[in-house]
Amino acid sequence: GQNIDQPTEMTATEGAIVQINCTYQTSGFNGLFWYQQHAGEAPTFLSYNVLDGLEEKGRFSSFLSRSKGYSYLLLKELQMKDSASYLCAYMDSNYQLIWGAGTKLIIKP
Amino acid sequence: GAVVSQHPSRVICKSGTSVKIECRSLDFQATTMFWYRQFPKKSLMLMATSNEGSKATYEQGVEKDKFLINHASLTLSTLTVTSAHPEDSSFYICSARDLAGVDLETQYFGPGTRLLVL
Repeated sequence: GQNIDQPTEMTATEGAIVQINCTYQTSGFNGLFWYQQHAGEAPTFLSYNVLDGLEEKGRFSSFLSRSKGYSYLLLKELQMKDSASYLCAYMDSNYQLIWGAGTKLIIKP
Repeated sequence: GAVVSQHPSRVICKSGTSVKIECRSLDFQATTMFWYRQFPKKSLMLMATSNEGSKATYEQGVEKDKFLINHASLTLSTLTVTSAHPEDSSFYICSARDLAGVDLETQYFGPGTRLLVL
């Protein structure tokens, strides 16, 4: 199987904060991506981290720790429209994308 | 977990030639596969939906005669870029749905194929 892992499903409440974790193992690394995918639609680019640290973009933030092989996507002030699958993927030394299976996020009122 | 492979991983070709990219579901069957195109740090753009045993469904603006799709079996779909031009240079990604999966909506993505047309 692929050496990248994220939870299958998470549930959160509207207005709250949720953190989706992604762990990976690779010898070659050229960055980590987060995508949002609504059912029946193409994945939408959310973020790209190649250096350690937190990158904030509005209600969404993404964090990377290369030494730990760990990233998370933080979603604040959750809205019902945030219900979607969130995919993490890292780019390996050959510049190929290795995808996680996606985390289905369910937002409840 | 379900694995999708693509071949080749990267290809360089001359303008005017045709390039075939294969997408395979390695340990599951997929009646539906999707072909995407990605530009750097951009969202994936759906090009077409490939259905086993029938014609592919192309998105608006995608030339079906230029991007030929063949989904001949439950584990293989091919995308042929005909008469490639430099503007076709891109990262092409396929995905597949697992018929027997728990969540029929989940797509499993391939590692992508980098095409450079000189």
